[in-house]
Amino acid sequence: KNQVEQSPQSLIILEGKNCTLQCNYTVSPFSNLRWYKQDTGRGPVSLTIMTFSENTKSNGRYTATLDADTKQSSLHITASQLSDSASYICVVSDPSGTYKYIFGTGTRLKVLA
Amino acid sequence: NAGVMQNPRHLVRRRGQEARLRCSPMKGHSHVYWYRQLPEEGLKFMVYLQKENIIDESGMPKERFSAEFPKEGPSILRIQQVVRGDSAAYFCASSLDGTDTQYFGPGTRLTVL
Repeated sequence: KNQVEQSPQSLIILEGKNCTLQCNYTVSPFSNLRWYKQDTGRGPVSLTIMTFSENTKSNGRYTATLDADTKQSSLHITASQLSDSASYICVVSDPSGTYKYIFGTGTRLKVLA
Repeated sequence: NAGVMQNPRHLVRRRGQEARLRCSPMKGHSHVYWYRQLPEEGLKFMVYLQKENIIDESGMPKERFSAEFPKEGPSILRIQQVVRGDSAAYFCASSLDGTDTQYFGPGTRLTVL
């Protein structure tokens, strides 16, 4: 079964600190892996997208990495800000259709002042 | 350029009533997707539509659920004879084509009493 699992489920850090979120997937083959940010009560917003041949992609303070051999991805957030408090969701394209996203359950990040 | 718009944002229905959820895609987008998010779960793909066509409805429950994207007007997700288990957040996304990044709306939170 194609799955996307994320860890930790939730994370609390102090403002200014760095953190790394993990994503393990069993989806194979896949065309791309995305990280989305979802604020409470809002829809997900795309942060990064990587194809299976890419190792890393950055978007400001967000850096995503991908290891297609171990089927793992991580999202590193540098110098966290209060506005980073949100759920971060790993999303992999379903082999049966690149439009069909398989969502992880997300990591809830809380940044404290 | 307005993003994906969904309305209503919150909808309360009694068991047995009908729920109609609307989605207006981003300007220029003709591909629409509906996802459902149950509490504490990731978003699950329901259906993919292009103007006047259903491309993939493999994630739609076989009964009571239907979706359309007419030539004019928003996409509609219709749930007939709602039950408590239909309570969830329903997200719509749109894209330029079937391989492009999907942009999500803010969601409609359906509560069935």
